[in-house]
Amino acid sequence: GQNIDQPTEMTATEGAIVQINCTYQTSGFNGLFWYQQHAGEAPTFLSYNVLDGLEEKGRFSSFLSRSKGYSYLLLKELQMKDSASYLCAVTGGATNKLIFGTGTLLAVQP
Amino acid sequence: GAVVSQHPSWVICKSGTSVKIECRSLDFQATTMFWYRQFPKQSLMLMATSNEGSKATYEQGVEKDKFLINHASLTLSTLTVTSAHPEDSSFYICSATGTGAHEQYFGPGTRLTVT
Repeated sequence: GQNIDQPTEMTATEGAIVQINCTYQTSGFNGLFWYQQHAGEAPTFLSYNVLDGLEEKGRFSSFLSRSKGYSYLLLKELQMKDSASYLCAVTGGATNKLIFGTGTLLAVQP
Repeated sequence: GAVVSQHPSWVICKSGTSVKIECRSLDFQATTMFWYRQFPKQSLMLMATSNEGSKATYEQGVEKDKFLINHASLTLSTLTVTSAHPEDSSFYICSATGTGAHEQYFGPGTRLTVT
């Protein structure tokens, strides 16, 4: 079966660092995505990992370990506008369809 | 960058009527389009995958006769919610991907309210 787990909610302080974890068990794996979604809006792309290791892009970094079925999204220098849901999604199989995790609602406090 | 549009952005309809939602890729050819549904405070649930010129593949539990998907061209897919009921009220989001591409580009979503 397909299973992607994330913490439901997290709280962090402005200017701090937060790590959002994602574990997955899927029948196929072509890559792992992280998306940001503000309430009432569509998801926006943050990162894509297909090989093990860390991908850094500005304040956001994403890590993947395929052998452990594990990824995390690291957000540095948190800003209030980073308050949003963060969705982990795995793609696999011939159709490349995305299977989304439950999403993590991050609240950044002053 | 790749842009995907959806129309309408929101719609209110009466129970029993049908609603059509359009998804367009504006600056690339979308060989595959995906339709998702998202209920409040929940994640995106894939409803179906459609490839241009062929029948859509529906996920388990999604009624294909209720949610009609047409992908007649490389830039347009439509989702028709037939005989809508209040429980169909949700946020419907499409995404599109080009040939050989791994990234899906999401439309802005359509909020459907059935009264």
